[in-house]
Amino acid sequence: DVKLVESGGGLVKLGGSLKLSCAASGFTFSSYYMSWVRQTPEKRLELVAAINSNGGSTYYPDTVKGRFTISRDNAKNTLYLQMSSLKSEDTALYYCTRQLGLGGGPFDYWGQGTTLTVSS
Amino acid sequence: DVQITQSPSYLAASPGETISINCRASKSISKYLAWYQEKPGKTNKLLIYSGSTLQSGIPSRFSGSGSGTDFTLTISSLEPEDFAMYYCQQHNEYPWTFGGGTELEIK
Repeated sequence: DVKLVESGGGLVKLGGSLKLSCAASGFTFSSYYMSWVRQTPEKRLELVAAINSNGGSTYYPDTVKGRFTISRDNAKNTLYLQMSSLKSEDTALYYCTRQLGLGGGPFDYWGQGTTLTVSS
Repeated sequence: DVQITQSPSYLAASPGETISINCRASKSISKYLAWYQEKPGKTNKLLIYSGSTLQSGIPSRFSGSGSGTDFTLTISSLEPEDFAMYYCQQHNEYPWTFGGGTELEIK
């Protein structure tokens, strides 16, 4: 079975940094595009980063560009999200997601999420 | 960015009923809309993508329709396990964007 397990969330001060990890199992990790999606306390969902199967191409929306970095280690079946210059609006539940198919479709598997709280 | 307006935000229905949830995009997204189900204690589930393609393993009582800017998720003969939160999401162009969600509760 496909399983995505996030870790690394926590309480961070404004301007701080944090790195999230996602351990993937049950599928050929190196074949799939992966993404991080967050859900705010108001329950709004937002794609924050995406990466292609070999890690050579990434996407970030303007809200996090220059502050967040997505990466992957296909040998370890692990996805990462390095976050820096954190703002209060980054407070959210962060989901690791797999993208459907081999060309990066919508999110066909989600993890349970890890929570980031940014405080002053 | 493509804005997605989802309606209604709240819907109460009884088991056995048929319901519809709508999403409207601020510009044409062709057929590229997905629907997800969110339930407490479970991981989010992809129900439908590309407007009307049923994801593997999803019951046929779920169906999607629409193209361009207007889309509908229909759940026929509601089962008790269908009462949940539902989100739509456009996957036509980055940044992919989500609707605000519909909470489907038992009447």
